Amino acid sequence: GQNIDQPTEMTATEGAIVQINCTYQTSGFNGLFWYQQHAGEAPTFLSYNVLDGLEEKGRFSSFLSRSKGYSYLLLKELQMKDSASYLCAVPYTGGFKTIFGAGTRLFVKA
Amino acid sequence: NAGVMQNPRHLVRRRGQEARLRCSPMKGHSHVYWYRQLPEEGLKFMVYLQKENIIDESGMPKERFSAEFPKEGPSILRIQQVVRGDSAAYFCASSPLRRSNTGELFFGEGSRLTVL
Repeated sequence: GQNIDQPTEMTATEGAIVQINCTYQTSGFNGLFWYQQHAGEAPTFLSYNVLDGLEEKGRFSSFLSRSKGYSYLLLKELQMKDSASYLCAVPYTGGFKTIFGAGTRLFVKA
Repeated sequence: NAGVMQNPRHLVRRRGQEARLRCSPMKGHSHVYWYRQLPEEGLKFMVYLQKENIIDESGMPKERFSAEFPKEGPSILRIQQVVRGDSAAYFCASSPLRRSNTGELFFGEGSRLTVL
């Protein structure tokens, strides 16, 4: 089976850096996704990691350690518009679906 | 270049009625996924379809729920005899044809079902 854990909520200050962690258990591994979802809107793709290490994309970076079953999403220079839920997701190696974590709700305060 | 289109965006039904949710994938995408999201919760996989085929319906409730993706037209998620617990946002996602499930998903704006 597959299991994904991430914190329920986090709060950070505008201009700061925040790290959102995700741990997963899976019988195989086929990469890990991060999605952003603003309240009432569709999830949108942020990043995909399949190899160990850090992938940087502007203010957002994503890290993966396959041996530890661990990933994090790093958001720099936080802006108010970054207030959203961040979903960690892994493709299910036994089939064709992508399994999502419950999401981390990030609140950015002034 | 339209994205994934879902309709209706909002649907209100009384208990016992039927709900039909439609999804047109992005142009060129032949894989459709349906997810359900309850308030303050994550996305729960329901079903994965290709044209005219249900590939994985392991997340679908055994009764009252069905899905199809006909050769022509949108994918449809059908909920018969709705109950209050069916109230949720139903998201459709599509991906292009791939040999393995390593592609990102493109989501529609969702259909929000409210059962009175």
